[in-house]
Amino acid sequence: GENVEQHPSTLSVQEGDSAVIKCTYSDSASNYFPWYKQELGKGPQLIIDIRSNVGEKKDQRIAVTLNKTAKHFSLHITETQPEDSAVYFCAANYRDNYGQNFVFGPGTRLSVLP
Amino acid sequence: EAQVTQNPRYLITVTGKKLTVTCSQNMNHEYMSWYRQDPGLGLRQIYYSMNVEVTDKGDVPEGYKVSRKEKRNFPLILESPSPNQTSLYFCASSLSTGTEGNQPQHFGDGTRLSIL
Repeated sequence: GENVEQHPSTLSVQEGDSAVIKCTYSDSASNYFPWYKQELGKGPQLIIDIRSNVGEKKDQRIAVTLNKTAKHFSLHITETQPEDSAVYFCAANYRDNYGQNFVFGPGTRLSVLP
Repeated sequence: EAQVTQNPRYLITVTGKKLTVTCSQNMNHEYMSWYRQDPGLGLRQIYYSMNVEVTDKGDVPEGYKVSRKEKRNFPLILESPSPNQTSLYFCASSLSTGTEGNQPQHFGDGTRLSIL
């Protein structure tokens, strides 16, 4: 089955700097890769996603890159702000008996220091 | 407002006392899923449902049951809870896999269960 690894597990950056979180997946058939942000006491919220037919997607200060050959994808946050502090999860889809499902990475705790 | 609602948000109970965590979504989503979140392990899927009366096991289904009698509701049942089921639980929903493939999941705000 699909396995998703995520690094680093914790990341501290100064406000205004960039942050990068990397994930690798094992199933070459995976073709959808969402990223979620989880704030304290809340459920994960989708922040950006990418499908395998593109190599990069950007939404304001957030971007995701995908390397299908190497089976890894990364989240890039530029000009970080204190409100970016949260736990971030990557995920990859895989096919099973009924259709498609998801495996999540273990998460990265990002701290943006003022 | 589009949302996934879980109840209760917090529950402390004892070993062996049956409990149900409810999940309801108002977005007419076909797909619903339950996850548990434990430190260092991220989100692990317990059960999921592709549509009404269609459910399947995820990665960690032991000790749990689900049902999907209506499209909007997907309750999680612990028939005989044990301390190793102490965790933070999330319900999620999404549109079904379409021509574009998977759709983003919408998560509830979680239910923290403590089994003593």
